[in-house]
Amino acid sequence: AQTVTQSQPEMSVQEAETVTLSCTYDTSESDYYLFWYKQPPSRQMILVIRQEAYKQQNATENRFSVNFQKAAKSFSLKISDSQLGDAAMYFCAYRSPLIQGAQKLVFGQGTRLTINP
Amino acid sequence: SAVISQKPSRDICQRGTSLTIQCQVDSQVTMMFWYRQQPGQSLTLIATANQGSEATYESGFVIDKFPISRPNLTFSTLTVSNMSPEDSSIYLCSATDGLYGPQHFGDGTRLSIL
Repeated sequence: AQTVTQSQPEMSVQEAETVTLSCTYDTSESDYYLFWYKQPPSRQMILVIRQEAYKQQNATENRFSVNFQKAAKSFSLKISDSQLGDAAMYFCAYRSPLIQGAQKLVFGQGTRLTINP
Repeated sequence: SAVISQKPSRDICQRGTSLTIQCQVDSQVTMMFWYRQQPGQSLTLIATANQGSEATYESGFVIDKFPISRPNLTFSTLTVSNMSPEDSSIYLCSATDGLYGPQHFGDGTRLSIL
């Protein structure tokens, strides 16, 4: 079974600075999908960014980018120019290919990000 | 992306009662899911809601405790039966808009059992 590990329970960063959240995963599959979700206090899960394992290029979405290291099974999230609205719990998630696992998401434990003004 | 609405947003229930949570999507989706998030914890998949057939439950979750319905491609319900304080959690519905699309989530239902 796949597992996802986020080793940083909490992180903090000064507003406008850059922060990197870590995620590692364990799988025997060669093709899969990885996601970062954000959960603010309102509790809604918001998709931040996604990465397909077959793509070598790292995904980017505005101030959010990932460092995907397939061999190391590492998938970190970099937030540039941090804003107060970025404060939330961040969850890393793994999804098997479509044929296997029926699109089930496996989540890490989460990292609580605090932005200091 | 699909917009997902959940009702109720929160509830406080008595031990031994049951509550049904509704999940409505604004477009037809291929797959719908129900997750549980216990206080301070991550999300755990309860089951996949299959349209026109029984839900597929994950290990540790059973139909008698968490019956699920999915009568069409835009709607699903999760019932939490015979509730105990250990069922106090946030319950989230999600859906995929397309075979290869990411999962999008509703706002969740915060359930407290007294």
